[in-house]
Amino acid sequence: QKEVEQDPGPLSVPEGAIVSLNCTYSNSAFQYFMWYRQYSRKGPELLMYTYSSGNKEDGRFTAQVDKSSKYISLFIRDSQPSDSATYLCAMREPHQGAQKLVFGQGTRLTINP
Amino acid sequence: AAGVIQSPRHLIKEKRETATLKCYPIPRHDTVYWYQQGPGQDPQFLISFYEKMQSDKGSIPDRFSAQQFSDYHSELNMSSLELGDSALYFCASSPQALYGYTFGSGTRLTVV
Repeated sequence: QKEVEQDPGPLSVPEGAIVSLNCTYSNSAFQYFMWYRQYSRKGPELLMYTYSSGNKEDGRFTAQVDKSSKYISLFIRDSQPSDSATYLCAMREPHQGAQKLVFGQGTRLTINP
Repeated sequence: AAGVIQSPRHLIKEKRETATLKCYPIPRHDTVYWYQQGPGQDPQFLISFYEKMQSDKGSIPDRFSAQQFSDYHSELNMSSLELGDSALYFCASSPQALYGYTFGSGTRLTVV
């Protein structure tokens, strides 16, 4: 079983819908949680960065972390066709040094005009 | 704003050849990470450097080696290339190893 589980989709929703993307994880030592957006043949782009539990909002994006359930979510409001991409959750432990990120498989999202 | 620069963008090599991928991190970022991403796969961690010292090692084959230089740029050297090495190779950097990474656009390696 992978440390981080993410439904690969694909997920297809109409423009303007609220999108919910989720990941579960098994390593309770993870403290830093991130969401990346990756367009085809491009590098992952950092969208949201959260430390420990709680919510974080940035424009149309909201990230939630529930450490008790080992569950993180990304919500996209008023979704746009330009949001169509693969969304990867990622997380890491709080150790010193260059601690690796562990990624989910990525969810392929399509927003239909 | 400056981003992570990777070169080359595309590389085609034959089996058993050698390839060198370069990464130039964002200025003042002292941490570099290398990831390999196969088609439809999530990025797999290869190796990382913090302040020019190897910090963590993932599923990197013995045929691969990497280093970080005094100017913080990093190179990934891949020898005895195999067809299965065909993938996107991403470099990422972060400041003080504490924050989210910024990824480069990647090098697409094709081994034929």
